[in-house]
Amino acid sequence: DGGITQSPKYLFRKEGQNVTLSCEQNLNHDAMYWYRQDPGQGLRLIYYSQIVNDFQKGDIAEGYSVSREKKESFPLTVTSAQKNPTAFYLCASSIMGQGNTEAFFGQGTRLTVV
Amino acid sequence: GDSVTQMEGPVTLSEEAFLTINCTYTATGYPSLFWYVQYPGEGLQLLLKATKADDKGSNKGFEATYRKETTSFHLEKGSVQVSDSAVYFCALWAGYSTLTFGKGTMLLVSP
Repeated sequence: DGGITQSPKYLFRKEGQNVTLSCEQNLNHDAMYWYRQDPGQGLRLIYYSQIVNDFQKGDIAEGYSVSREKKESFPLTVTSAQKNPTAFYLCASSIMGQGNTEAFFGQGTRLTVV
Repeated sequence: GDSVTQMEGPVTLSEEAFLTINCTYTATGYPSLFWYVQYPGEGLQLLLKATKADDKGSNKGFEATYRKETTSFHLEKGSVQVSDSAVYFCALWAGYSTLTFGKGTMLLVSP
């Protein structure tokens, strides 16, 4: 079955530690996205990528980094510079260049700072 | 820039009640409009979509009509069930970069 897979489902980070969230898709989608979800704030865009080896900052990129070395993969690193990383992180993918583009989402990773 | 405004929740209804969740948008051009649903602890799933004015999207008893004159895409369902309890997101895609989401509306349905 085609889909988008995030791992792990739950992640705990110590203060000052970098952690990497995995996102893999087998939908052959060009575009991939990372969103952060906090209660009452909806979804906020962190980074997105429309093509391999290229990515753009979203609205809240500070303290995060990404790479897009393969079409299927778009990992997100939460660095120690992110002061409040506890949140629910959602990865998505979509076909680019079509007027009815819809995004497909993974099941999310809940990150908690301990 | 593009934006989506949804009614604030939670919306609390009894089973079999009529549901309306309001959504209005601001965008240049002619965006495509979407409703996504998020069940507790999960990612978002596409519920329905409409790509041009006067289109009606529908799925699982939910409907929404793309109203360009009022820049709205209100979600409706004639008779809600307990299993419809979730957070609903309205979103638009204006043909460039990324989807723009509203803040979400929580729906709570009691038996």
